[in-house]
Amino acid sequence: DAGITQSPRHKVTETGTPVTLRCHQTENHRYMYWYRQDPGHGLRLIHYSYGVKDTDKGEVSDGYSVSRSKTEDFLLTLESATSSQTSVYFCATKTGAGTDTQYFGPGTRLTVL
Amino acid sequence: AQTVTQSQPEMSVQEAETVTLSCTYDTSESDYYLFWYKQPPSRQMILVIRQEAYKQQNATENRFSVNFQKAAKSFSLKISDSQLGDAAMYFCAFRGHGSGNTGKLIFGQGTTLQVKP
Repeated sequence: DAGITQSPRHKVTETGTPVTLRCHQTENHRYMYWYRQDPGHGLRLIHYSYGVKDTDKGEVSDGYSVSRSKTEDFLLTLESATSSQTSVYFCATKTGAGTDTQYFGPGTRLTVL
Repeated sequence: AQTVTQSQPEMSVQEAETVTLSCTYDTSESDYYLFWYKQPPSRQMILVIRQEAYKQQNATENRFSVNFQKAAKSFSLKISDSQLGDAAMYFCAFRGHGSGNTGKLIFGQGTTLQVKP
């Protein structure tokens, strides 16, 4: 599972509050991803990173920002949380080779009241 | 844009029996990868099986096998000798393989599999 940890694992917050989720990996993988999982939608990509300070948007990026200042850490920030951002958030990584597998972290359950 | 569709929100199977989960996808690419992930109640995403589109042979991993029909854009998962531990949500996923591809996965909606003792 590529030594991926996510913190916090659970969080309850209020609308309008800023929230930062952290993904940490120990395998020196080049690519990192943030997905959100919602019933009826599967997992959808929020943002991804292809190297330190190199990031790009996914299909559901509105309301989210990311940063990657070190290879091992990929942060997802909700600048002003809304109830529609209540979800389970997954971080994933892969090495960068063309045929490798994507590994997932344990997920963070975020509830915005 | 690529899409992945799992038309069976829920399936059930008797222990020791065989079940097939369906997945269809849409893409204009000729080279890509397809995956099945399992998500048990622990929420951990576990890779079950993968298929490279250029390979005609269907992938197999122990009790899990796929039926890959490239022309029909179909990628079903067969679980043989079902076990109670197979109960989970299963996701089908697509990844392109172009030179500019960054490994993003596109997921289906998921199928919840119940295994009855």
